[in-house]
Amino acid sequence: DQQVKQNSPSLSVQEGRISILNCDYTNSMFDYFLWYKKYPAEGPTFLISISSIKDKNEDGRFTVFLNKSAKHLSLHIVPSQPGDSAVYFCAVRLGGGKLIFGQGTELSVKP
Amino acid sequence: EAGVAQSPRYKIIEKRQSVAFWCNPISGHATLYWYQQILGQGPKLLIQFQNNGVVDDSQLPKDRFSAERLKGVDSTLKIQPAKLEDSAVYLCASSLEVSGQGNRHTIYFGEGSWLTVV
Repeated sequence: DQQVKQNSPSLSVQEGRISILNCDYTNSMFDYFLWYKKYPAEGPTFLISISSIKDKNEDGRFTVFLNKSAKHLSLHIVPSQPGDSAVYFCAVRLGGGKLIFGQGTELSVKP
Repeated sequence: EAGVAQSPRYKIIEKRQSVAFWCNPISGHATLYWYQQILGQGPKLLIQFQNNGVVDDSQLPKDRFSAERLKGVDSTLKIQPAKLEDSAVYLCASSLEVSGQGNRHTIYFGEGSWLTVV
């Protein structure tokens, strides 16, 4: 029973264009949503987050959108750069700080 | 600021052998997590400590996995005996607090310990 799903295992985007990564969740009680980025042979690093009381949070080239009625989370990267190529995990936070991760989407940004 | 330290980075063992992984969290972080990441999947929480007490170990296979954080700082995760399906990256992470706004609850991960069971 997967509570967090990333249905696209991979995404390829041209440099300078927009990258859109999607995530769906099942439980409307989740209060905090996060995106982590992972390079090969490294641990995940925190990228951006959003509280359930908001529908958008922006940090430079990264914007996270939350659609609570659809239980859908998305990450927009504009403009995409080759250094953005990595695996992106969405995660939801339960009470007590526990994170549940999606399966990840591998983003490839081509020059 | 030093990050989360883990060792060893890589380990290959035969099934039924034992292995131990060590983690030193970011200084001052009260909460420590061990996650298991199998290839092609997202990290899955095995155990969460708050200081030296266990908060959540509901997904830890207790017949073969054990973890401790005796002095509330560094931690050890042990697998005995190992099975083929234990091949994964074992990620240690820490956070200042467990909840709240801002960065105090942000979870920081180490580089991981890669285990291959043959």
